[in-house]
Amino acid sequence: DTEVTQTPKHLVMGMTNKKSLKCEQHMGHRAMYWYKQKAKKPPELMFVYSYEKLSINESVPSRFSPECPNSSLLNLHLHALQPEDSALYLCASSQGGLDEKLFFGSGTQLSVL
Amino acid sequence: KQEVTQIPAALSVPEGENLVLNCSFTDSAIYNLQWFRQDPGKGLTSLLLIQSSQREQTSGRLNASLDKSSGRSTLYIAASQPGDSATYLCADDSGNTPLVFGKGTRLSVIA
Repeated sequence: DTEVTQTPKHLVMGMTNKKSLKCEQHMGHRAMYWYKQKAKKPPELMFVYSYEKLSINESVPSRFSPECPNSSLLNLHLHALQPEDSALYLCASSQGGLDEKLFFGSGTQLSVL
Repeated sequence: KQEVTQIPAALSVPEGENLVLNCSFTDSAIYNLQWFRQDPGKGLTSLLLIQSSQREQTSGRLNASLDKSSGRSTLYIAASQPGDSATYLCADDSGNTPLVFGKGTRLSVIA
C-alpha cells in the first residue's frame, strides 16, 4: 500500500462550525505533514509531525489544530475558520529521515462560507 | 532563505515534442531535489527525486538532472502526450528546513 488517504475529499463549512480533516497511511512512514494550497499557488507547509511529535509549526493560526493519534493517522481540527482559509489541504508522509520522497494524498478541497 | 524559481510559468506544445522544464534554487547546500506532477484540484505525485550526490534520474520518458554548482535542475519530457498536461513543481530539501516549492510550470500538450 503506497497511498496516503485523505477524507473527506470536499468540505463546505460555516465560520462557526467545527470540523476535522483526516489523513491515513500504512507505509510505516514516521513523518507526516499538512500543507495548504491556494489556487495556482505552490503548497505551503503548515505542520510536520515526526515520530508522532509536532516538530514544525509554521506560525499557523490557532483555529487550525493538528493531532497525530498514532503513527498512521494525522488529523487537522478546524474551528472558527475564515473565508480566506478556503483552499486545498494536502497531507503527505515520508519515512522520516533525510533524502526522502514525499507521498501526497489527493487533498481535501475546503470551502468556508 | 532558500528560494526556488521555475521557468516558464506556462508552456503549450504540440503532441510528440520533447520539452524541458527549468528549476533554479538559491542555496546549493541541498540534500535532494524532487519533481512533482499535480493535476487540477488533486494532490501531488512524486515523479523523480535526485539526491545531492547524483546528477540525474530517469523514469520512462522523464529525465531529471541536477547541477548543484549552478543551482539548477531540469525535467526533460520526451515525446510529450496530452496525458502529460498538468502542473509540474520542483521542490528542494535542505535538510533542516521543510521542502521549498517553486510556483510550478503549467504544461499543456495539444493533440
